[in-house]
Amino acid sequence: GDSVTQMEGPVTLSEEAFLTINCTYTATGYPSLFWYVQYPGEGLQLLLKATKADDKGSNKGFEATYRKETTSFHLEKGSVQVSDSAVYFCALRTTSGNTPLVFGKGTRLSVIA
Amino acid sequence: NAGVTQTPKFRVLKTGQSMTLLCAQDMNHEYMYWYRQDPGMGLRLIHYSVGEGTTAKGEVPDGYNVSRLKKQNFLLGLESAAPSQTSVYFCASSYSGRFQTQYFGPGTRLLVL
Repeated sequence: GDSVTQMEGPVTLSEEAFLTINCTYTATGYPSLFWYVQYPGEGLQLLLKATKADDKGSNKGFEATYRKETTSFHLEKGSVQVSDSAVYFCALRTTSGNTPLVFGKGTRLSVIA
Repeated sequence: NAGVTQTPKFRVLKTGQSMTLLCAQDMNHEYMYWYRQDPGMGLRLIHYSVGEGTTAKGEVPDGYNVSRLKKQNFLLGLESAAPSQTSVYFCASSYSGRFQTQYFGPGTRLLVL
């Protein structure tokens, strides 16, 4: 079945450091790919998405590129802030569109000043 | 626009008690979902609904029942609570289609003693 694997955390970085959170997927067809973020005590919210190969999603300084050849959708940010501390989830939805999102297990990021 | 709301925010139950979690959305979304979030397990889908009057099982449906009598509401029931159902429960909703964003509620924290 479809699945998402993301790097285990927690990840601890200093402010202004470069962030990469790896995400790879297994799916039939051409899924849509998403990154969601969960701030402490809140529900998940969409951070960015990409719907076809080579698409780049971006938002709030975060970027991720849909790489079909490596089945990856790694999340990157050039300079993290303390306010970026959260749990990040990679997710996919299959081509049919009639199935719920499949989530990775999440990666906790802590940014220290 | 309230988005997705969940009631209650927090509840303590004794083993064997029953309860219903309510999810409401005001975005006219066709699809609604119930997830549970446990440490190290990410988000796991319990049940979902693709329209009023229809429901389907997710990854971990045992011990839960759902109903979607109105398009805007999705209820999650625990008939006989068990300590293993201690978790944070999230509801989400979306339009149909593989590009669509899922919008999440703030969560319900449930403790079963």
